[in-house]
Amino acid sequence: AQTVTQSQPEMSVQEAETVTLSCTYDTSESNYYLFWYKQPPSRQMILVIRQEAYKQQNATENRFSVNFQKAAKSFSLKISDSQLGDTAMYFCAFMKPYNNNDMRFGAGTRLTVKP
Amino acid sequence: GAVVSQHPSWVICKSGTSVKIECRSLDFQATTMFWYRQFPKQSLMLMATSNEGSKATYEQGVEKDKFLINHASLTLSTLTVTSAHPEDSSFYICSAREVEQWGNQPQHFGDGTRLSIL
Repeated sequence: AQTVTQSQPEMSVQEAETVTLSCTYDTSESNYYLFWYKQPPSRQMILVIRQEAYKQQNATENRFSVNFQKAAKSFSLKISDSQLGDTAMYFCAFMKPYNNNDMRFGAGTRLTVKP
Repeated sequence: GAVVSQHPSWVICKSGTSVKIECRSLDFQATTMFWYRQFPKQSLMLMATSNEGSKATYEQGVEKDKFLINHASLTLSTLTVTSAHPEDSSFYICSAREVEQWGNQPQHFGDGTRLSIL
């Protein structure tokens, strides 16, 4: 079974600074997908960024980028130029590309951006 | 973009009643939908995988007679919490898988349902 570990329950960052959220996972699969989701107080799940394991290039989406280390099974999220609206829970998730490909989530990291 | 509508967003009911939650994919077909449960300040836990036209697959520890799932069409899955009790109070979220190219199958989430059993 796949497990996803987020070792930072809470983090804070000053507005405009950069913060990195950690995520590690355990799998025997060679191909899979990794995601970061944001859940603000409204509890809506918002896709931040995703990475296919077979792609060596790290995914980027504007201020969000990942550091994907496949051998180390590490998938960290970097948020640059943090904004107050980035305050939320962030979940790392793993998904296999077949067999109903359900998504497994980490425990989450609560990020607070301070003015 | 793909939209998943979940209804109701909040429901309060008495212990012993049954509650139905709907999950609809509005602009795409979803052969597979997923139901998650989220306790306060915790992560999403997969309850079951719902496939159109077949029985749902439940995760270990989830009572299938308590949480009835029906996926009768390519755009609608329902979760019915039967004979609900206070311990069933939680936040329930559905997601639907949009089938794009093989292997690139993102899930789109509904906005969730807050269930409170008195």
